[in-house]
Amino acid sequence: DGGITQSPKYLFRKEGQNVTLSCEQNLNHDAMYWYRQDPGQGLRLIYYSQIVNDFQKGDIAEGYSVSREKKESFPLTVTSAQKNPTAFYLCASSIVRGFHEQFFGPGTRLTVL
Amino acid sequence: RKEVEQDPGPFNVPEGATVAFNCTYSNSASQSFFWYRQDCRKEPKLLMSVYSSGNEDGRFTAQLNRASQYISLLIRDSKLSDSATYLCVVTPGGSYIPTFGRGTSLIVHP
Repeated sequence: DGGITQSPKYLFRKEGQNVTLSCEQNLNHDAMYWYRQDPGQGLRLIYYSQIVNDFQKGDIAEGYSVSREKKESFPLTVTSAQKNPTAFYLCASSIVRGFHEQFFGPGTRLTVL
Repeated sequence: RKEVEQDPGPFNVPEGATVAFNCTYSNSASQSFFWYRQDCRKEPKLLMSVYSSGNEDGRFTAQLNRASQYISLLIRDSKLSDSATYLCVVTPGGSYIPTFGRGTSLIVHP
């Protein structure tokens, strides 16, 4: 089955620790995205990437970092510099031509203790 | 003005009712429009793409009004399982980066 996987589903972190969230897709999509969603809020774009070894900051990139070494993978690191990291993190992918709807992974719920 | 605006609701309707949501967008050059459904604590899933001519999928009808810059979603014969948050998504022309509305909450009760 083609799709997007994210791991882990739940993640607990102590303050001051960096943590990396995994995102893998086998849809052969060029573009990948990371969003953050807080309770009762919409999706906010953290980073996005159109091609391997290239990525751009979204609206709330501070305190986050990404890499795109493979087309299939787009891991997100939440660093200790992120002031309020507790949130629901969603990874998505899409084509970049035509009517490009996004497909989402199941999300990672991060809680900072 | 926000780029994509939705009434957060909640819309509280009985089973069998017809309910409609609107979503306004500010960028007149927007080219792609979608409705997504998001269940509580789950990822958004594509419900419908919205074409210029409008489109229908069973009980769901989506329409685009470019002159007034809004899209709509009509749900007929509401089911309990339709309870969810409905997200409006708009992509500007020449870009592949979408803008999400904050969503409209629908609660269908017996």
